Amino acid sequence: DTEVTQTPKHLVMGMTNKKSLKCEQHMGHRAMYWYKQKAKKPPELMFVYSYEKLSINESVPSRFSPECPNSSLLNLHLHALQPEDSALYLCASSQLLVKLRSPLHFGNGTRLTVT
Amino acid sequence: QQQVKQSPQSLIVQKGGISIINCAYENTAFDYFPWYQQFPGKGPALLIAIRPDVSEKKEGRFTISFNKSAKQFSLHIMDSQPGDSATYFCAAIPGSVYQGGKLIFGQGTELSVKP
Repeated sequence: DTEVTQTPKHLVMGMTNKKSLKCEQHMGHRAMYWYKQKAKKPPELMFVYSYEKLSINESVPSRFSPECPNSSLLNLHLHALQPEDSALYLCASSQLLVKLRSPLHFGNGTRLTVT
Repeated sequence: QQQVKQSPQSLIVQKGGISIINCAYENTAFDYFPWYQQFPGKGPALLIAIRPDVSEKKEGRFTISFNKSAKQFSLHIMDSQPGDSATYFCAAIPGSVYQGGKLIFGQGTELSVKP
């Protein structure tokens, strides 16, 4: 089992809904990440938090809003999504920003379908 | 210049055979090269990683070969098993602090090992 826990595992939402994805890790990692993955494609980086501060936003549309309430939790708030936003959303963490001795640990993702 | 090119896109190998996946990069500032394995419905998991000052790293049936002058690296899976059937992603990490946290993925290789 992965040490990065994501909830829910599946989510279906309409374009006018507001929902949130949650991610939790208890490895003491200080960097946390949101990735988006389409079928048969590599993960695409969305956001990076380091010490609970947003350090990278990969020009993600404002309908995706990240939040890092503490060092163990990461949320992704969703509002007014489009059908093309349907994807697997992956949370990841690393001890510090990812490098040789700080590998990335992924959760199993939330499969999001926007109708 | 921030790309990692991966080939082949898909690979079919007989049980007991050797699976070989290749990656190439252009940015000489990359200083850490991990490989991730992803099973359907799961998040990517770190398989093995190498630094550019090492030419080969072996862990069990998995070996990374690294050619710094050619800017290429490859994953060899010896004695391939049906349980190895998954998608494999090579990746690279820029060494500069400014790029900290951004893992550059290859496009992925879907491996199928036939019994």
